[in-house]
Amino acid sequence: GENVEQHPSTLSVQEGDSAVIKCTYSDSASNYFPWYKQELGKRPQLIIDIRSNVGEKKDQRIAVTLNKTAKHFSLHITETQPEDSAVYFCAASPHSGGYQKVTFGTGTKLQVIP
Amino acid sequence: NAGVTQTPKFQVLKTGQSMTLQCAQDMNHNSMYWYRQDPGMGLRLIYYSASEGTTDKGEVPNGYNVSRLNKREFSLRLESAAPSQTSVYFCASSPSDRGSYEQYFGPGTRLTVT
Repeated sequence: GENVEQHPSTLSVQEGDSAVIKCTYSDSASNYFPWYKQELGKRPQLIIDIRSNVGEKKDQRIAVTLNKTAKHFSLHITETQPEDSAVYFCAASPHSGGYQKVTFGTGTKLQVIP
Repeated sequence: NAGVTQTPKFQVLKTGQSMTLQCAQDMNHNSMYWYRQDPGMGLRLIYYSASEGTTDKGEVPNGYNVSRLNKREFSLRLESAAPSQTSVYFCASSPSDRGSYEQYFGPGTRLTVT
């Protein structure tokens, strides 16, 4: 089955700096890579995703990059703000049969220091 | 729309007791999932249901059973609870069609087994 590794497990940055979270996956059949944000005590929510036919995707201050050859993908947050403090999960999924089974990484706790 | 709802929010069980966690979604989604979340281990898939009438094991199915009662409802049963099942349980649903694979999570159930 798929194995997703995520680094670092914790990350502290000053407000306004950039944050980068990296993930690797093992199954070359994976073709969908979502990122979820989980605030303290809340449910995970999708913030951005990327398909395997795209190398980069941006949405305002967040961007994801994908290197299929190396089987790794990254989340980049620019101009970090205190409300970006949360746990971020990467995930990988092979799309098959009209549904997707997602394997999550172990999470990165991001702390943005005002 | 209520989205994905879960009951109960909190539960304390004694070892050996049984209980059922309820999940319902009102978004007409095809796929539904049960995850457990433990510190440092991310979200691990227990069982999933790709569509009404089907269920499959995920990464950590031992000690659990599921029922996809209809398209809206997906329940998780612990037949004989063990302290190792102390965790936060999340239900999720996904359209899994027309290229839409975002998972929508419920608020979670915090279960303690003593």
